[in-house]
Order: sequence, then C-alpha cells, then structure tokens
Amino acid sequence: AQSVAQPEDQVNVAEGNPLTVKCTYSVSGNPYLFWYVQYPNRGLQFLLKYITGDNLVKGSYGFEAEFNKSQTSFHLKKPSALVSDSALYFCAVRPSLYYGNNRLAFGKGNQVVVIP
Amino acid sequence: DTEVTQTPKHLVMGMTNKKSLKCEQHMGHRAMYWYKQKAKKPPELMFVYSYEKLSINESVPSRFSPECPNSSLLNLHLHALQPEDSALYLCASSQDGPSGNTIYFGEGSWLTVV
Repeated sequence: AQSVAQPEDQVNVAEGNPLTVKCTYSVSGNPYLFWYVQYPNRGLQFLLKYITGDNLVKGSYGFEAEFNKSQTSFHLKKPSALVSDSALYFCAVRPSLYYGNNRLAFGKGNQVVVIP
Repeated sequence: DTEVTQTPKHLVMGMTNKKSLKCEQHMGHRAMYWYKQKAKKPPELMFVYSYEKLSINESVPSRFSPECPNSSLLNLHLHALQPEDSALYLCASSQDGPSGNTIYFGEGSWLTVV
C-alpha cells in the first residue's frame, strides 16, 4: 500500500523568503507524485506532478518540486513566498505498477502561513 | 480555474431529507470520483466511476448512493444522513488508464446535516 508523510503541521514563512513544504512517500515500484493546494473554502487545485524524466518539476504559481528517489522525497518549493500562498498543501502518490489504479494516497496536509 | 462544476455550493438538510449533489465535467474524462473532506483533513475517497461503471466503492454507507448518468455527469444521492456526514463533498475527474493522469477537482459542495 502507498502512503505519504507530511511531517509538519504548519509552515510559517515571511513574505519574500523561500518556502519549502516537505513530503516523503512509500510505494511499491515507481511513484507518480502530485501536489495540490487548497485555498480557504475552495476545492483542491492541481499544482504539479512527477511522472518520469527530469527530477525538477515546475508547476503553477511559481512552484516547483524536486523528486529524490534515494530519499523517497518530493518537497515543494517556491523561491519567494507571497501572502496569497497561504493555504493548505497536500502531497499525494499513486503507484505506477497497476494500470488503471485510480487511488491517490494523500498526506495529512500542511498549512502554510505567509507572514507579511 | 477548475473545469469540474459542482452544484449546489451549499446544502443544509435534515436527517430525514432526500437531496442530491451534482457534478459535471466537459474535459472528456472517463473516470469520475466522489471524495469527502472534513475541515483541515485530506480528502477521503468514496466512489470511482470508470466509463460510467462503478469501479471503486470504499465501503461507503448506503445512505450515500452514487449515479453516473453519462460520461459527463456524476450525482450523489443523499438520504437519511447523520450530522457526522456534514463535510465538503468534492467531485473530481481524470483520464482513465495510466495512473499518471492528473485528477482535477471541483470547488465542492458544503453539506450540513441538521
């Protein structure tokens, strides 16, 4: 079974500083990895994903994430945080092994607070 | 902006009521999903439809009844719900097939059971 760990409950960062949200995963075989963001009272918005290829993935709103197979990590990063980045961030994983497997395993989520 | 549309955005219902949540997507996706989300928690998978057939039911109580009338529409029929069923209900869709496909979520329907 696949699982995701997001070790921090809340990440506080000053506006303009780099933002990192951590994610580690456990899955059989190769992973497909996703980041979603949820703004207050909204649905989940897709940010980016790693399927194969370049370990550095660029996504929406200036976010990027680096896939590290040896550390089983997929940390989300943004060079300069904005107050509008304050939201709940979810990491998710699927195994690549099974064709048509539609189950995503989500992490518990990280609340990001960007301080003006 | 999401291309998965959910109605209504807010619903308040009594424990004896029957209501439905509706979802529509026009991205040509053949997999559609219902998730339940409590505040500040990750979404929990309820049902998956693949090519209009129910492919996953995560042991959801029978007071929740999904329906997929066609490839663009997904309904969730609600009957005799409990207060603990109050939550955000998210519809989502994706291409079926290889599991690298992205799941796209709607804005959700906020359900309050009184």
